[in-house]
Amino acid sequence: GAGVSQSPSNKVTEKGKDVELRCDPISGHTALYWYRQSLGQGLEFLIYFQGNSAPDKSGLPSDRFSAERTGGSVSTLTIQRTQQEDSAVYLCASRDPPLEWQFFGPGTRLTVL
Amino acid sequence: SQQGEEDPQALSIQEGENATMNCSYKTSINNLQWYRQNSGRGLVHLILIRSNEREKHSGRLRVTLDTSKKSSSLLITASRAADTASYFCATDDGGTYKYIFGTGTRLKVLA
Repeated sequence: GAGVSQSPSNKVTEKGKDVELRCDPISGHTALYWYRQSLGQGLEFLIYFQGNSAPDKSGLPSDRFSAERTGGSVSTLTIQRTQQEDSAVYLCASRDPPLEWQFFGPGTRLTVL
Repeated sequence: SQQGEEDPQALSIQEGENATMNCSYKTSINNLQWYRQNSGRGLVHLILIRSNEREKHSGRLRVTLDTSKKSSSLLITASRAADTASYFCATDDGGTYKYIFGTGTRLKVLA
């Protein structure tokens, strides 16, 4: 009965390094979202996966950002050549369509020095 | 991006008082949801109201929706210190699977 989990909970990296953030959704949830939340701000949509359909990548801010979802379960968000402006909390959420509400993970706080 | 807006941005009240926060949005919707976020981490779903509903209750929560004004309000009655959190509204963008979150209201309930 676990909820959505994310790892790592905190990540400190140097500018220019690549980072991988992981999300384990609730078992059976076919929809998965990634969001970015800068300090004191709202959530910025990044990418959406639904089953085997092509993901909606319209929210990815640059080509340095990519995400994949293997086997319809675990998802990885990769940020290449990190920049200081990438510092934020990255939140993952899963949803069990047709239900409309999302279950969020605790987030990964990324700090780029 | 078409992001909703909550107001006020911050609200400080005494325990036992009611807290009201408002949300405005820009697109047509099928539903509007409210979430709570503690300590800048994961969000928790509170309540969902559909576009054909005008008011909904859940415990101490009361949500209203005015689709003609593209606005919603969340009322928390008899607030408690544990209600201290940020509250966000979220709308399905034009009735799609993509959800747009507002900027949030930071609520502080003083004991």
